[in-house]
Amino acid sequence: TQLLEQSPQFLSIQEGENLTVYCNSSSVFSSLQWYRQEPGEGPVLLVTVVTGGEVKKLKRLTFQFGDARKDSSLHITAAQPGDTGLYLCAGYGGGTYKYIFGTGTRLKVLA
Amino acid sequence: DVKVTQSSRYLVKRTGEKVFLECVQDMDHENMFWYRQDPGLGLRLIYFSYDVKMKEKGDIPEGYSVSREKKERFSLILESASTNQTSMYLCASRDRLYEQYFGPGTRLTVT
Repeated sequence: TQLLEQSPQFLSIQEGENLTVYCNSSSVFSSLQWYRQEPGEGPVLLVTVVTGGEVKKLKRLTFQFGDARKDSSLHITAAQPGDTGLYLCAGYGGGTYKYIFGTGTRLKVLA
Repeated sequence: DVKVTQSSRYLVKRTGEKVFLECVQDMDHENMFWYRQDPGLGLRLIYFSYDVKMKEKGDIPEGYSVSREKKERFSLILESASTNQTSMYLCASRDRLYEQYFGPGTRLTVT
């Protein structure tokens, strides 16, 4: 069974701090997506990474796909209260319609 | 922008009732999904549709059925609602780049 482990599960930090969230698997994915979900809402797609070693930036968020396409990280610089939410990674294996979702990281940024 | 809408944000039903959850996407996507999201269990796939009238069971199809009569609309049916089907239900559609876009979710409570 494919699994995506995210760490940490919970993170509470002060505004202005930096943080990194990790998404790890023993399986290879053809693409990996990151989402942010706010309470009571559906996940919102932030980015998709496809190539091993790829780095994508979205304002203060930096996403990296591992060279072997088994892991990914999300780094937030100078976190703001608006970054608060549940961050999910989801891997797509190719050859199947299924996405494997990570366990989630719940981030709280305190003003 | 991709838009996925769900018929209800909140729904309260009684045990044994038949429940219809509707999802509409406006981007002509062929693939659509129904998930449920529960604390500690993450997102679990209920059903997937890859074309009109075509469907495949996901990981937890028991107690659910689906209907896809038009490309833009994918319905989830709870034949006889039970309390263990109380959950957040999320619909998603997928584009040709394998990126999923989620609706806002339906919080269903079965009493």
